[in-house]
Amino acid sequence: DAGVIQSPRHEVTEMGQEVTLRCKLISGHNSLFWYRQTMMRGLELLIYFNNNVPIDDSGMPEDRFSAKMPNASFSTLKIQPSEPRDSAVYFCASSPSLGGYTFGSGTRLTVV
Amino acid sequence: DQQVKQNSPSLSVQEGRISILNCDYTNSMFDYFLWYKKYPAEGPTFLISISSIKDKNEDGRFTVFLNKSAKHLSLHIVPSQPGDSAVYFCAALIYNNNDMRFGAGTRLTVKP
Repeated sequence: DAGVIQSPRHEVTEMGQEVTLRCKLISGHNSLFWYRQTMMRGLELLIYFNNNVPIDDSGMPEDRFSAKMPNASFSTLKIQPSEPRDSAVYFCASSPSLGGYTFGSGTRLTVV
Repeated sequence: DQQVKQNSPSLSVQEGRISILNCDYTNSMFDYFLWYKKYPAEGPTFLISISSIKDKNEDGRFTVFLNKSAKHLSLHIVPSQPGDSAVYFCAALIYNNNDMRFGAGTRLTVKP
Protein backbone atom coordinates (compact mmCIF):
# COMPACT_ATOMS: atom_id res chain seq x y z
CA ASP A 1 0.00 0.00 0.00
CA ALA A 2 1.59 3.26 -1.14
CA GLY A 3 -0.29 5.32 1.41
CA VAL A 4 -1.98 8.62 0.70
CA ILE A 5 -0.41 10.19 -2.37
CA GLN A 6 -0.44 13.92 -2.99
CA SER A 7 0.69 15.77 -6.05
CA PRO A 8 2.47 17.94 -6.79
CA ARG A 9 4.92 18.07 -3.86
CA HIS A 10 5.74 21.68 -4.62
CA GLU A 11 3.84 24.27 -6.62
CA VAL A 12 4.92 27.81 -7.36
CA THR A 13 2.42 29.94 -9.20
CA GLU A 14 1.67 33.54 -9.92
CA MET A 15 -1.12 35.40 -8.22
CA GLY A 16 -4.37 35.05 -10.11
CA GLN A 17 -3.59 31.66 -11.58
CA GLU A 18 -5.63 28.56 -10.92
CA VAL A 19 -4.03 25.89 -8.74
CA THR A 20 -5.17 22.28 -8.46
CA LEU A 21 -3.91 19.98 -5.73
CA ARG A 22 -4.49 16.26 -6.01
CA CYS A 23 -4.89 13.47 -3.51
CA LYS A 24 -5.20 9.71 -3.90
CA LEU A 25 -6.71 7.90 -0.93
CA ILE A 26 -5.73 4.60 0.54
CA SER A 27 -7.84 1.83 -0.93
CA GLY A 28 -10.76 1.00 1.35
CA HIS A 29 -10.70 4.31 3.19
CA ASN A 30 -13.93 6.22 2.78
CA SER A 31 -13.23 9.48 4.58
CA LEU A 32 -11.08 12.18 3.03
CA PHE A 33 -9.84 15.35 4.72
CA TRP A 34 -8.08 18.42 3.37
CA TYR A 35 -5.96 20.41 5.83
CA ARG A 36 -3.88 23.54 5.46
CA GLN A 37 -0.82 24.11 7.62
CA THR A 38 0.44 27.60 8.37
CA MET A 39 2.85 28.89 10.99
CA MET A 40 0.19 30.95 12.69
CA ARG A 41 -2.71 28.51 12.78
CA GLY A 42 -1.17 25.09 12.58
CA LEU A 43 -3.31 22.46 10.90
CA GLU A 44 -6.71 23.79 9.84
CA LEU A 45 -9.43 21.52 8.55
CA LEU A 46 -10.71 22.86 5.24
CA ILE A 47 -13.21 20.23 4.20
CA TYR A 48 -13.94 16.60 4.66
CA PHE A 49 -15.82 13.97 2.69
CA ASN A 50 -17.41 10.76 3.76
CA ASN A 51 -18.25 8.24 1.04
CA ASN A 52 -17.56 10.90 -1.60
CA VAL A 53 -20.05 13.33 -0.05
CA PRO A 54 -18.84 16.64 1.41
CA ILE A 55 -19.81 16.64 5.08
CA ASP A 56 -18.34 19.85 6.41
CA ASP A 57 -16.80 22.61 4.29
CA SER A 58 -17.02 25.33 6.91
CA GLY A 59 -13.25 25.56 7.01
CA MET A 60 -12.94 26.52 3.37
CA PRO A 61 -11.68 30.09 3.60
CA GLU A 62 -13.42 31.63 0.60
CA ASP A 63 -15.35 30.88 -2.55
CA ARG A 64 -12.03 30.80 -4.36
CA PHE A 65 -11.51 27.36 -2.79
CA SER A 66 -13.36 24.31 -4.00
CA ALA A 67 -12.91 20.59 -3.48
CA LYS A 68 -14.26 17.60 -5.31
CA MET A 69 -14.22 13.88 -4.91
CA PRO A 70 -15.15 12.47 -8.32
CA ASN A 71 -14.64 8.89 -7.17
CA ALA A 72 -13.89 6.90 -4.05
CA SER A 73 -10.14 7.07 -4.45
CA PHE A 74 -9.36 10.58 -5.64
CA SER A 75 -9.89 14.18 -4.62
CA THR A 76 -8.88 17.62 -5.85
CA LEU A 77 -8.59 20.95 -4.08
CA LYS A 78 -8.76 23.91 -6.43
CA ILE A 79 -7.92 27.55 -5.75
CA GLN A 80 -9.08 30.01 -8.38
CA PRO A 81 -7.78 32.69 -8.45
CA SER A 82 -4.84 32.10 -6.15
CA GLU A 83 -3.46 34.81 -3.87
CA PRO A 84 -0.16 35.14 -1.99
CA ARG A 85 -1.92 34.53 1.34
CA ASP A 86 -2.86 31.07 0.12
CA SER A 87 0.79 30.06 0.40
CA ALA A 88 0.95 27.13 2.82
CA VAL A 89 1.40 23.39 2.98
CA TYR A 90 -1.77 21.52 2.08
CA PHE A 91 -2.27 18.02 3.43
CA CYS A 92 -4.86 15.48 2.64
CA ALA A 93 -5.61 12.54 4.91
CA SER A 94 -7.80 9.51 4.58
CA SER A 95 -9.27 7.18 7.15
CA PRO A 96 -11.57 4.21 7.44
CA SER A 97 -15.09 4.90 8.70
CA LEU A 98 -13.87 5.30 12.22
CA GLY A 99 -10.22 5.28 12.93
CA GLY A 100 -6.88 6.90 12.62
CA TYR A 101 -5.95 9.17 9.82
CA THR A 102 -3.16 8.59 7.36
CA PHE A 103 -1.69 11.77 5.96
CA GLY A 104 -0.06 12.40 2.64
CA SER A 105 3.30 14.14 2.44
CA GLY A 106 1.70 17.46 1.60
CA THR A 107 1.87 19.99 -1.21
CA ARG A 108 3.85 23.13 -0.52
CA LEU A 109 2.13 25.94 -2.38
CA THR A 110 3.83 29.28 -3.00
CA VAL A 111 1.86 32.03 -4.68
CA VAL A 112 3.99 34.96 -5.80
CA ASP B 1 -12.54 28.91 16.27
CA GLN B 2 -9.60 27.12 17.82
CA GLN B 3 -11.20 24.22 19.63
CA VAL B 4 -7.84 22.63 20.31
CA LYS B 5 -5.02 24.79 21.61
CA GLN B 6 -1.33 24.23 22.08
CA ASN B 7 -0.07 27.35 23.75
CA SER B 8 3.63 26.58 23.55
CA PRO B 9 4.93 26.94 20.00
CA SER B 10 8.29 25.45 20.97
CA LEU B 11 10.02 23.41 23.65
CA SER B 12 13.67 22.56 24.11
CA VAL B 13 14.91 19.79 26.41
CA GLN B 14 18.15 17.95 27.04
CA GLU B 15 18.57 14.38 25.87
CA GLY B 16 17.56 11.93 28.57
CA ARG B 17 15.23 14.34 30.34
CA ILE B 18 11.44 14.40 30.22
CA SER B 19 9.55 16.32 27.54
CA ILE B 20 6.05 17.46 28.46
CA LEU B 21 3.81 18.78 25.71
CA ASN B 22 0.51 20.33 26.69
CA CYS B 23 -2.83 20.71 24.97
CA ASP B 24 -6.16 22.26 25.95
CA TYR B 25 -9.54 21.86 24.31
CA THR B 26 -12.81 23.72 24.56
CA ASN B 27 -15.39 21.34 23.14
CA SER B 28 -16.69 19.05 25.88
CA MET B 29 -18.11 16.74 23.21
CA PHE B 30 -14.65 15.55 22.20
CA ASP B 31 -14.20 11.98 23.35
CA TYR B 32 -11.06 10.81 21.63
CA PHE B 33 -7.66 12.46 21.62
CA LEU B 34 -4.54 11.82 19.61
CA TRP B 35 -1.00 13.03 19.24
CA TYR B 36 0.67 13.25 15.86
CA LYS B 37 4.33 13.81 15.13
CA LYS B 38 5.58 15.62 12.08
CA TYR B 39 9.06 15.75 10.59
CA PRO B 40 9.97 18.38 7.98
CA ALA B 41 8.72 17.63 4.46
CA GLU B 42 6.58 14.75 5.70
CA GLY B 43 2.93 14.42 6.66
CA PRO B 44 1.94 14.02 10.30
CA THR B 45 2.08 10.46 11.61
CA PHE B 46 0.06 8.98 14.42
CA LEU B 47 1.87 8.61 17.73
CA ILE B 48 -0.52 7.75 20.54
CA SER B 49 -4.17 8.19 21.46
CA ILE B 50 -6.51 8.10 24.43
CA SER B 51 -10.21 7.65 24.84
CA SER B 52 -12.15 9.87 27.21
CA ILE B 53 -12.96 6.86 29.39
CA LYS B 54 -9.31 6.68 30.40
CA ASP B 55 -7.00 9.14 32.07
CA LYS B 56 -3.70 7.61 31.00
CA ASN B 57 -2.32 5.62 28.10
CA GLU B 58 1.26 4.47 27.84
CA ASP B 59 3.26 3.19 24.89
CA GLY B 60 6.95 2.74 25.52
CA ARG B 61 8.55 6.11 26.16
CA PHE B 62 5.31 7.94 25.38
CA THR B 63 2.50 8.52 27.85
CA VAL B 64 -0.60 10.61 27.31
CA PHE B 65 -2.54 11.95 30.28
CA LEU B 66 -6.10 13.24 30.08
CA ASN B 67 -7.79 15.52 32.61
CA LYS B 68 -11.39 15.80 31.46
CA SER B 69 -12.48 18.23 34.13
CA ALA B 70 -9.75 20.64 33.09
CA LYS B 71 -10.13 19.82 29.38
CA HIS B 72 -6.42 19.27 29.28
CA LEU B 73 -4.13 16.59 27.97
CA SER B 74 -0.41 16.18 27.92
CA LEU B 75 2.17 14.03 26.24
CA HIS B 76 5.19 12.89 28.23
CA ILE B 77 8.28 11.56 26.53
CA VAL B 78 10.76 9.85 28.83
CA PRO B 79 13.64 9.69 28.19
CA SER B 80 13.77 12.21 25.38
CA GLN B 81 16.00 11.42 22.42
CA PRO B 82 17.36 13.66 19.65
CA GLY B 83 15.26 11.69 17.14
CA ASP B 84 12.16 12.91 18.95
CA SER B 85 12.83 16.42 17.63
CA ALA B 86 9.77 17.22 15.54
CA VAL B 87 6.52 19.16 15.60
CA TYR B 88 3.88 17.52 17.76
CA PHE B 89 0.20 18.11 17.05
CA CYS B 90 -2.53 17.45 19.54
CA ALA B 91 -5.84 16.41 17.99
CA ALA B 92 -9.34 15.75 19.22
CA LEU B 93 -12.49 14.36 17.76
CA ILE B 94 -15.99 13.26 18.48
CA TYR B 95 -15.47 9.62 17.68
CA ASN B 96 -18.66 8.89 15.78
CA ASN B 97 -18.10 12.00 13.67
CA ASN B 98 -14.51 11.13 12.78
CA ASP B 99 -13.90 14.84 12.29
CA MET B 100 -10.53 15.63 13.83
CA ARG B 101 -9.42 19.08 14.97
CA PHE B 102 -5.80 19.89 15.48
CA GLY B 103 -3.87 22.26 17.65
CA ALA B 104 -1.29 24.59 16.17
CA GLY B 105 1.60 22.29 17.07
CA THR B 106 4.60 22.45 19.37
CA ARG B 107 8.11 22.19 17.98
CA LEU B 108 10.19 19.96 20.25
CA THR B 109 13.97 20.13 20.09
CA VAL B 110 15.94 17.53 22.02
CA LYS B 111 19.55 18.56 22.43
CA PRO B 112 22.29 15.92 22.65
